[in-house]
Amino acid sequence: EAGVTQFPSHSVIEKGQTVTLRCDPISGHDNLYWYRRVMGKEIKFLLHFVKESKQDESGMPNNRFLAERTGGTYSTLKVQPAELEDSGVYFCASSPRGRRNTEAFFGQGTRLTVV
Amino acid sequence: AQTVTQSQPEMSVQEAETVTLSCTYDTSESDYYLFWYKQPPSRQMILVIRQEAYKQQNATENRFSVNFQKAAKSFSLKISDSQLGDAAMYFCAYRWGTSGSRLTFGEGTQLTVNP
Repeated sequence: EAGVTQFPSHSVIEKGQTVTLRCDPISGHDNLYWYRRVMGKEIKFLLHFVKESKQDESGMPNNRFLAERTGGTYSTLKVQPAELEDSGVYFCASSPRGRRNTEAFFGQGTRLTVV
Repeated sequence: AQTVTQSQPEMSVQEAETVTLSCTYDTSESDYYLFWYKQPPSRQMILVIRQEAYKQQNATENRFSVNFQKAAKSFSLKISDSQLGDAAMYFCAYRWGTSGSRLTFGEGTQLTVNP
């Protein structure tokens, strides 16, 4: 079974440019999460999809961030325009719906550097 | 709000020795889960061990065990017979018992294993 995959693994962009990160969850996982870790700090929650619906987007830092989940499958996280403070590692995770004791399965992360 | 604190940014251990990583958390909930995740240098985060709050027995997974002190809100990870492959960033995480709830992470502990 394929795990959670994220593209790209690294991205270096200039301030003001746009970047789109992609996450392919484990097939059949209705829950999809985005998290972010900025340098040396804790991993912070960004948002949660259940299928194609945004369940909780309370962690999104501002309106420069837009997340979508087309047809309840893969998800994209677009940053437009990127700022220096957006640099960090962006993690995607997925989990099956309706199981209390399940863990979240993580992708390898996308390291975003804004210069 | 729930918080998770890891007070040891870095730890080191000699190969074959035992090391304990500390984690404390704060919550007013009674139904929750605690996790230790490991992120090796390749950056894919994987689950090491989980503990259900209503279970008094400490979880164990081979060389990994936890010391769960619910009243003290403490959740430490013990790694026995440390191996070079245990070198990684370790994150303590909390989530509510409800299926699909998001994770709250600590800042992480970077573990070095010396040969």
